[in-house]
Amino acid sequence: DTAVSQTPKYLVTQMGNDKSIKCEQNLGHDTMYWYKQDSKKFLKIMFSYNNKELIINETVPNRFSPKSPDKAHLNLHINSLELGDSAVYFCASRRDNSYEQYFGPGTRLTVT
Amino acid sequence: AQSVTQPDIHITVSEGASLELRCNYSYGATPYLFWYVQSPGQGLQLLLKYFSGDTLVQGIKGFEAEFKRSQSSFNLRKPSVHWSDAAEYFCAVGDSGGGADGLTFGKGTHLIIQP
Repeated sequence: DTAVSQTPKYLVTQMGNDKSIKCEQNLGHDTMYWYKQDSKKFLKIMFSYNNKELIINETVPNRFSPKSPDKAHLNLHINSLELGDSAVYFCASRRDNSYEQYFGPGTRLTVT
Repeated sequence: AQSVTQPDIHITVSEGASLELRCNYSYGATPYLFWYVQSPGQGLQLLLKYFSGDTLVQGIKGFEAEFKRSQSSFNLRKPSVHWSDAAEYFCAVGDSGGGADGLTFGKGTHLIIQP
C-alpha cells in the first residue's frame, strides 16, 4: 500500500537519450511535484501539477517535461539527457488545504 | 523569496546524548515549517510540521521542534539519540498563501552517531 511510488528506482543511460520516470500516488492527493536532489543533496522544486494543470515551472531546461495522464500520476520526461542531469529525482504529493507533502522513494538517474 | 538556512553541515553526537539541529528561515508571512529525514538511499520522511498554535510540536521517533518567531528559527531536538537516527535532516518552509508552490529546503544536516 505504498503511498507515493516511483519507477524505476535506478536509471543509467547515455548522453543524448530520452527517458521517462513515472510517479503514482494512491492518496487521493490533488497536487503532485517533482524535485531534483543534486550530488550535494540539495533539494529543489522543479514542477507541480494540480488538477492536470501546471501550476509552477521553475527555471528548468525545456528538455524536462512533466506529463500527468490523470490525477494520480505525474511522469517526468527528459529529452537529450546531459551529464548534469545526473541526480536523484523525487516525486511528492499533497492534498488541497494541507501543506505537508509526501515523498516517493526517489529515482537515481545516472547519465554517462 | 523564502529561504531556509541550516548552519550545520555535519553534526556528530554520541549515542544516548541529546541533539539539537538548527534551522533558520526567511519568509514574509506566517511560515509553514517542516522537518524531513532522509536515511541513506531512501526517500524523505516527514518528522513533524508547524502550521499554527502551540509553538512546540511533537513528531515521530521522539523528535520535537520549537518555532520561535522572534528568532526566525525552527530547531529540531531529541533528548536521546539512537544509532538509527543517523541520517540527513532537512528543514523546509512552505507557502502559507494557499498556493501550490513547492517546499523550499535547507541544504541539510548530516547527523553522525558515535557509539
